[in-house]
Amino acid sequence: SAVISQKPSRDICQRGTSLTIQCQVDSQVTMMFWYRQQPGQSLTLIATANQGSEATYESGFVIDKFPISRPNLTFSTLTVSNMSPEDSSIYLCSVERPPANTEAFFGQGTRLTVV
Amino acid sequence: QKEVEQNSGPLSVPEGAIASLNCTYSDRGSQSFFWYRQYSGKSPELIMSIYSNGDKEDGRFTAQLNKASQYVSLLIRDSQPSDSATYLCAVTGSSGSARQLTFGSGTQLTVLP
Repeated sequence: SAVISQKPSRDICQRGTSLTIQCQVDSQVTMMFWYRQQPGQSLTLIATANQGSEATYESGFVIDKFPISRPNLTFSTLTVSNMSPEDSSIYLCSVERPPANTEAFFGQGTRLTVV
Repeated sequence: QKEVEQNSGPLSVPEGAIASLNCTYSDRGSQSFFWYRQYSGKSPELIMSIYSNGDKEDGRFTAQLNKASQYVSLLIRDSQPSDSATYLCAVTGSSGSARQLTFGSGTQLTVLP
């Protein structure tokens, strides 16, 4: 499986501010995925990031709130903008394992608390 | 709307027993099925994948798939306290790609020493 490094691992942020989460993979991957896991709940896909094009957002998530960058095949960032306490969650970066691209692996996650 | 349903639990079993975790899915065209284990405060870890009907065994873990019944299960034999975690069932769409992955809400398992 790919080694996925995500940082920061946790942060406490003031409401109204923004946080950028970084995800680094040790191999080139086509797609990178960003998930949110709210307290006590399962994973929800925020968006899919493809290098060289704009991210594709799932229903309920918008680019202004969660801008994503994908500058190359091994790196992506997710920004949580204008944060409110409702944004307190674990944010997870995920990649597919080639060549079949059917299995998804996760970074260690970023635990965000907004106060 | 694709749905993946799991028994929410919590499920408690004594050490050494068999733990049985169940999952149903709504998309009849789903192709790929996964079980993830998530320890408290950690990220999900892939422990089993299954793609065709029948059983797949890996050590103490057995995944079972019945596409006709749209049912996936995970059996953990000789359960250990270290197996205590939340188990997430995940299912892809008709493409089979991880891009279409939908997660269930998870079953919390506690193995009692």
